[in-house]
Amino acid sequence: GAVVSQHPSWVICKSGTSVKIECRSLDFQATTMFWYRQFPKQSLMLMATSNEGSKATYEQGVEKDKFLINHASLTLSTLTVTSAHPEDSSFYICSALDGIQTYEQYFGPGTRLTVT
Amino acid sequence: GIQVEQSPPDLILQEGANSTLRCNFSDSVNNLQWFHQNPWGQLINLFYIPSGTKQNGRLSATTVATERYSLLYISSSQTTDSGVYFCAPDKGPYSGAGSYQLTFGKGTKLSVIP
Repeated sequence: GAVVSQHPSWVICKSGTSVKIECRSLDFQATTMFWYRQFPKQSLMLMATSNEGSKATYEQGVEKDKFLINHASLTLSTLTVTSAHPEDSSFYICSALDGIQTYEQYFGPGTRLTVT
Repeated sequence: GIQVEQSPPDLILQEGANSTLRCNFSDSVNNLQWFHQNPWGQLINLFYIPSGTKQNGRLSATTVATERYSLLYISSSQTTDSGVYFCAPDKGPYSGAGSYQLTFGKGTKLSVIP
């Protein structure tokens, strides 16, 4: 149990376009979902926290108009990188909190974004 | 926020050896999780351990919350244990910064050689 899927697993896009990444909790309801960014050989950096049906809370330094987060249901959150630039290239990882039973966070497999 | 320090940053082991990874944190915490990030980037839950000791096969973990540290033990290491190990505490639902946000250490990169 406790599986989180993320789609796509990798994407290449041109500078100026937008990319949407989906995060789904497959076998539990996620009270909260989180989005992280990870640069090579570095730790995970929290970008934002989202609760179903409410606006996401962004960490300091993260542009909310650039990284749009929608948390439409207890099993789905999306991250849209708008007007992507090469510096947005990174590994994006989502996690889902089982806030009903285990209180553990479970992570998706990540999405590798390359902006050319 | 919580400061998290992991040691050692890098560790090379011969297959079959044992190791101890350490995680120090600067504040009282609600919970602490240990993860293994495999070479493909997937984080795998190892332990949810706010206090005490847990064991799962060749792995075990101990958290001493009053002294603000946690240890991850790997026994009889295998090449498949290679990857980065992260500890990540959270301050629970009333931290003010967001419910159950995890703060990640920089990780310990483990390489197990045959």
